[in-house]
Amino acid sequence: DAGVIQSPRHEVTEMGQEVTLRCKPISGHNSLFWYRQTMMRGLELLIYFNNNVPIDDSGMPEDRFSAKMPNASFSTLKIQPSEPRDSAVYFCATPTGTGYGYTFGSGTRLTVV
Amino acid sequence: RKEVEQDPGPFNVPEGATVAFNCTYSNSASQSFFWYRQDCRKEPKLLMSVYSSGNEDGRFTAQLNRASQYISLLIRDSKLSDSATYLCVISNTGNQFYFGTGTSLTVIP
Repeated sequence: DAGVIQSPRHEVTEMGQEVTLRCKPISGHNSLFWYRQTMMRGLELLIYFNNNVPIDDSGMPEDRFSAKMPNASFSTLKIQPSEPRDSAVYFCATPTGTGYGYTFGSGTRLTVV
Repeated sequence: RKEVEQDPGPFNVPEGATVAFNCTYSNSASQSFFWYRQDCRKEPKLLMSVYSSGNEDGRFTAQLNRASQYISLLIRDSKLSDSATYLCVISNTGNQFYFGTGTSLTVIP
């Protein structure tokens, strides 16, 4: 298994542009989590899905952020329009198994200028 | 109150030293506990789970104190390669995990 795969690894965009981050979770696991990490706030849970259904999106900062999981093997996090304060590393993660925590993707480093 | 609180450090220790980190949690119903390690510009990776009776993995010892609601990580004989940020992680029920902000460790030659 290739683990959790995220793309792109790096994204630099101008303020106001739409940004789409992608995640392919570990197959066979039915939960997926999107996190954002900044120096100031650490790792923040944005949203998580169970069986492709959003369970808790209370961490999504505002309406500019949206996430989808159309099937068990793919999820997107979209920011429209992007702002400089959205600059962060965005991780997706799936549970490794009961009692074994998460496996993270390598993250997308987003810079909005 | 935050679910999980950690001293951000930084901890700067010489090679060979013993260093310990604590992490407190607010929900007494928390069920699962972990320590993660995150290297600079990398994703967090599971270091070890924390079991009720405490557990050891080589130079690393993790302990859980339910009465005082904290977990700890002890690193003996620190190596340069131990330099990283250490995140404590707590799970209440289901699959939702709460991360501490991390403790930065630098091991100095």
